[in-house]
Amino acid sequence: EDQVTQSPEALRLQEGESSSLNCSYTVSGLRGLFWYRQDPGKGPEFLFTLYSAGEEKEKERLKATLTKKESFLHITAPKPEDSATYLCAVQGGSYIPTFGRGTSLIVHP
Amino acid sequence: DAGVIQSPRHEVTEMGQEVTLRCKPISGHNSLFWYRQTMMRGLELLIYFNNNVPIDDSGMPEDRFSAKMPNASFSTLKIQPSEPRDSAVYFCASSPRTGDNSPLHFGNGTRLTVT
Repeated sequence: EDQVTQSPEALRLQEGESSSLNCSYTVSGLRGLFWYRQDPGKGPEFLFTLYSAGEEKEKERLKATLTKKESFLHITAPKPEDSATYLCAVQGGSYIPTFGRGTSLIVHP
Repeated sequence: DAGVIQSPRHEVTEMGQEVTLRCKPISGHNSLFWYRQTMMRGLELLIYFNNNVPIDDSGMPEDRFSAKMPNASFSTLKIQPSEPRDSAVYFCASSPRTGDNSPLHFGNGTRLTVT
């Protein structure tokens, strides 16, 4: 059974204070690891897909990295508008995504 | 592209009543997923369809839950009778196809409260 554990559950940062979110996973035959952003009252919105260990993807202040056991979402110099819940999901042989419970990020101005 | 459309956005009902949630996937997407989100358990897959056919409903909690997809542009999730523990946000998502790494496109969910 595919499993995803995200940490921390909640993170508070000051504007400009860089940090990282962790996603640890176990999956039989990784097909892809996904990061989504979810704003309050909205559905998750796709950010990145990573396919193999060593791969990195960047978008504005976000950079996602992948190893064989975990992924990190690095947030550089965050702004208040980066406040959201960040969800990680893995897709194995079934091609059906399994989600973690997310990290709730609040960035204070 | 209007995105995935869900209705209603909010539903408040009394225990024992029937509840029907609706979803219109993105046109051209062949796979549709129903998820339930709670604080305790996060996002849980209930059922998914491929080309309007239910493929895996192992996540449906019990017989009180049923889902249909009569055509490529419409799906329903029905709960009868509803119970307070069904209170959650229900999301519908679609993707171009299963069997590859296409990300999911989510609707904005239906917040269900059963009193």
